[in-house]
Amino acid sequence: NFMLTQPHSVSESPGKTVTISCTRSSGSIASNYVQWYQQRPGSAPTTVIYEDNQRPSGVPDRFSGSIDSSSNSASLTISGLKTEDEADYYCQSYDSSNLWVFGGGTKLTVL
Amino acid sequence: EVQLVESGGGLVKPGGSLRLSCAASGFTFSSYSMNWVRQAPGKGLEWVSSISSSSSYIYYADSVKGRFTISRDNAKNSLYLQMNSLRAEDTAVYYCATPVNWGQGTLVTVSS
Repeated sequence: NFMLTQPHSVSESPGKTVTISCTRSSGSIASNYVQWYQQRPGSAPTTVIYEDNQRPSGVPDRFSGSIDSSSNSASLTISGLKTEDEADYYCQSYDSSNLWVFGGGTKLTVL
Repeated sequence: EVQLVESGGGLVKPGGSLRLSCAASGFTFSSYSMNWVRQAPGKGLEWVSSISSSSSYIYYADSVKGRFTISRDNAKNSLYLQMNSLRAEDTAVYYCATPVNWGQGTLVTVSS
């Protein structure tokens, strides 16, 4: 099976743009959809990106997702950072049996 | 509005059993695969089990295989997780989820 590797933590200032990467260890990142989940402290995860680059209703367009086959990675970009964006972010994709594989999570600090 | 509401968590002794439920509403439950995902205290997300829309395909993480059983009742818009032979390492918040929607979770604590 493959692994999804995320940076342990990232930080950026309010109003700036941050990108969180999610690198697939084997197999093509483009072969299976990638989702991104936001988890604020003490709360359940919520989906901010599904199917690589789709936003659920209610998620602001400051959140965007992309796939880069050259680096075999997916990225979550958050522009116009707000303090409310401070959270843990997890990427998730599927293995060959369509089972879920999670990245280890990235702690985003907005300071 | 889509809602997934888990219930059934609690404190159980090692070796004991629990049955979790997830009540779904606001979407055509019978058309979607469903998943259980757990999160141990202070840890990341771990996929536990998946069931296809008609229950034809069922999968488990190696860590729970042979001890947990996933099932669903499409007539009742409900998802279940029967957990047997529970261990301390099964202590976690358990979420039912689709790629777009998550429940609020239910806490399972395995301790003597």
